[in-house]
Amino acid sequence: KAGVTQTPRYLIKTRGQQVTLSCSPISGHRSVSWYQQTPGQGLQFLFEYFSETQRNKGNFPGRFSGRQFSNSRSEMNVSTLELGDSALYLCASSLAVAGDADTQYFGPGTRLTVL
Amino acid sequence: AQSVAQPEDQVNVAEGNPLTVKCTYSVSGNPYLFWYVQYPNRGLQFLLKYITGDNLVKGSYGFEAEFNKSQTSFHLKKPSALVSDSALYFCAVRDQAGTALIFGKGTTLSVSS
Repeated sequence: KAGVTQTPRYLIKTRGQQVTLSCSPISGHRSVSWYQQTPGQGLQFLFEYFSETQRNKGNFPGRFSGRQFSNSRSEMNVSTLELGDSALYLCASSLAVAGDADTQYFGPGTRLTVL
Repeated sequence: AQSVAQPEDQVNVAEGNPLTVKCTYSVSGNPYLFWYVQYPNRGLQFLLKYITGDNLVKGSYGFEAEFNKSQTSFHLKKPSALVSDSALYFCAVRDQAGTALIFGKGTTLSVSS
């Protein structure tokens, strides 16, 4: 079974621009989560989507948004990029089976550099 | 609020020796705990998880973790380290909403030959 895929793998943008990152979950997985990884703040949760609905959200400004499509694929968008948005953005998918402590499986990440 | 702490930024061991990467947790309710490993320029790979049951959890690549409720710890262990185990290791706990992972700062494991 194919793993979580993320595109693009690398991105370079300038301040003020916006960016869209894409994530395709493992087949059959219905939940998609996004995380930001930086050397200073470590791994931080951005948001989680299930059945096209945002179920959970981390402590990030409104410039960070996401969505999920009917095939469970997800995108996240960052508007008005700032230098501090430079990070590795990780997507994770899970079965979202009720009553179980779901395991999240991660993609390789998108490395975003803001100049 | 849920949280985990990894008290060591780096752990150094010689190949063939046992290794331990430490993690302590603070949770409200039942702890759902996870270990992940990250190799350079890669995403996180799932190693193992504790939900309930046996305090010794076995995972991938020969790793295991010991859950200790009284010490609120979930240490990652391996009886015999390999050079290829050198990587960044993260402990995580599921948040109270049940849909997000809260990660520790990570511990760099360096295994020398």
